[in-house]
Amino acid sequence: AQTVTQSQPEMSVQEAETVTLSCTYDTSESDYYLFWYKQPPSRQMILVIRQEAYKQQNATENRFSVNFQKAAKSFSLKISDSQLGDAAMYFCAYSNSGNTPLVFGKGTRLSVIA
Amino acid sequence: GAVVSQHPSRVICKSGTSVKIECRSLDFQATTMFWYRQFPKQSLMLMATSNEGSKATYEQGVEKDKFLINHASLTLSTLTVTSAHPEDSSFYICSAKVPPVNTEAFFGQGTRLTVV
Repeated sequence: AQTVTQSQPEMSVQEAETVTLSCTYDTSESDYYLFWYKQPPSRQMILVIRQEAYKQQNATENRFSVNFQKAAKSFSLKISDSQLGDAAMYFCAYSNSGNTPLVFGKGTRLSVIA
Repeated sequence: GAVVSQHPSRVICKSGTSVKIECRSLDFQATTMFWYRQFPKQSLMLMATSNEGSKATYEQGVEKDKFLINHASLTLSTLTVTSAHPEDSSFYICSAKVPPVNTEAFFGQGTRLTVV
């Protein structure tokens, strides 16, 4: 079975600074997807960024980028120029290809300090 | 992105009663939907996989007689919490992927259930 591990229960960052959230995973599959979801206080799950395992290039979405190390099974999220609105719970998630459920890590609570 | 709508967002019910939560895919057909439960300050825990036209697949430890799932159409899945108890109080979230690509999951707004 696949597992996702987030070893940082809480992180904090100064506004306008950069923060990196860590995630490792375990799978024997070769074709899969990795995601970072944000869950603000409203508890709505919002997709931040996704990475296809077959792509070597790291995904980027504006201020959000990932460092995908397939051999090490590592998938970290970097948030640049942090904003107050970035404060939320961040979940790393794994999915096999096909219509299968996501497997989530335990989450990292990010605080942004003004 | 695709839209998944969940209703109600909040519900309070008395112990012993049943409550139904609806999950709709508004702009795509979802042959499969997923139901999660989330305890405060914890991650999402998969409860069951809902399959259109067939029985749901429940995760180990989830009582199928307590958490009834029905997926009668390609756009609607329902979760009914039967004979609710205070320990069933939780946040319930549904999600679905958009076929045929089936990459990221889209989530409903969630339902906060309080059993008094």
